[in-house]
Amino acid sequence: KNQVEQSPQSLIILEGKNCTLQCNYTVSPFSNLRWYKQDTGRGPVSLTIMTFSENTKSNGRYTATLDADTKQSSLHITASQLSDSASYICVVSKAAGNKLTFGGGTRVLVKP
Amino acid sequence: SAVISQKPSRDICQRGTSLTIQCQVDSQVTMMFWYRQQPGQSLTLIATANQGSEATYESGFVIDKFPISRPNLTFSTLTVSNLSPEDSSIYLCSATRAAKETQYFGPGTRLLVL
Repeated sequence: KNQVEQSPQSLIILEGKNCTLQCNYTVSPFSNLRWYKQDTGRGPVSLTIMTFSENTKSNGRYTATLDADTKQSSLHITASQLSDSASYICVVSKAAGNKLTFGGGTRVLVKP
Repeated sequence: SAVISQKPSRDICQRGTSLTIQCQVDSQVTMMFWYRQQPGQSLTLIATANQGSEATYESGFVIDKFPISRPNLTFSTLTVSNLSPEDSSIYLCSATRAAKETQYFGPGTRLLVL
């Protein structure tokens, strides 16, 4: 069973609308949680990285939240643009070593 | 940030041959990694490329199939040997300067084995 679960697997939204992606994890001991954006045919690009003590972090129209008690994170996209169409991957790092555990990703399609 | 380039960007290979992928980082990094991403799937770590010593492989990946070199702090190669159609995938190089810092990814190499 994957230790990082993302939902939904995919979603379609209209340009200008907001959306929220979910990530639940069981990775332990926890070091940090990262959100990456991966455009089709490209490598993942880091959006945010949050440690245990951080509840929220923003990067432009992307806002990530973290609840380390419930082991949940979300990524909120505000006023979506066509260029937001991509896969969004939640990645959790263990405290020991530098092992990253990847979620399955959420494919977002923004339609005009 | 670190900029990572990979060569080739894509290739089509015959069964039984090998492909070597090069990864170049524009600045010195501590750790380099190789991942595989199969169509529609997330990333799976193949190995950590250690500078000046043998790579550290993840469960299910072996040196004979995926030999890795890392001669210095900015360059690494991954060879996929004795290719079969099941090796068709995207192979990504990644690097970071420290364990808790951002991990940067290359653009990937798309491999198709016929």
